[in-house]
Amino acid sequence: EVQLLESGGGLVQPGGSLRLSCAASGFTFSSYAMSWVRQAPGEGLEWLSGISGIGGSTYYADSVKGRFTISRDNSKSTLYLQMNSLRAEDTAVYYCAKFKGGSIGYWEHWGQGTLVTVSS
Amino acid sequence: EIVLTQSPATLSLSPGERATLSCRASQSVSSYLAWYQQKPGQAPRLLIHDASNRATGIPARFSGSGSGTDFTLTISSLEPEDFAVYYCQQRSNWPLTFGQGSKLEIK
Repeated sequence: EVQLLESGGGLVQPGGSLRLSCAASGFTFSSYAMSWVRQAPGEGLEWLSGISGIGGSTYYADSVKGRFTISRDNSKSTLYLQMNSLRAEDTAVYYCAKFKGGSIGYWEHWGQGTLVTVSS
Repeated sequence: EIVLTQSPATLSLSPGERATLSCRASQSVSSYLAWYQQKPGQAPRLLIHDASNRATGIPARFSGSGSGTDFTLTISSLEPEDFAVYYCQQRSNWPLTFGQGSKLEIK
C-alpha cells in the first residue's frame, strides 16, 4: 500500500524558513516523479513544484520560484521542500503527491497534508 | 499559463440524480485533463485522467468526456458519498494548473 507521510509544518514568522519532509513507502520511490501541492484555507489546489524520479529535473510554479527548493533522497525514500522567505500568503496545507505512472502528469496518491501557518 | 474555469461553482442535487460538471481551458490541452474529488479534511482523490479514463477503483458511475478546451465530468446517479468538491487539472503545459473547483451539495 502506498503511503505518503508529510511532516515539518507549523507556525513560522514572515520571512522565516521551514523544511517539509514526506516519507514514502509501499512503492519504488526512485521510479516515480513527485510533487508538492498546497491548499490555502478555504481555497483551491495549487501545484508548487515537481521533481523527476532521479532528481535530475525540477519544476516550480512562478509563485514559489526562487524561494522554495524541492529535493529528494532516494536512499531514504523521502521528498523535501525547503521554503524560504515565507509570506502570509504561503499559509496553507501542503500535500506531498506521487505522480501516476513514471512521468509527470496526474497525482495518483496523496499524503494527508501538513499545515504551514505564516504569521507574526 | 493555462487557466481552467469550472462551472457551476455550486451544484445542488439530490441522491439518485445525474450531475454534470464542466471545465473549460483557456487554450487546448488535448486530452491531458484529470478530475479529482475532495471531501472536507481529506486529500484529493484522482477520479479521471486523460479526459475519460477512470482511475483505479473509481466506480463506473463516474465518467469523463471532452477534448481540446471543453470537458465534462458526469456522475450518472449520485450516491450520498459523492457530495464533495471537484477539481479539474491539466498536464498539457507547465505550470500544471487546477480549476477553481465545483462544489456538489445535497439539495
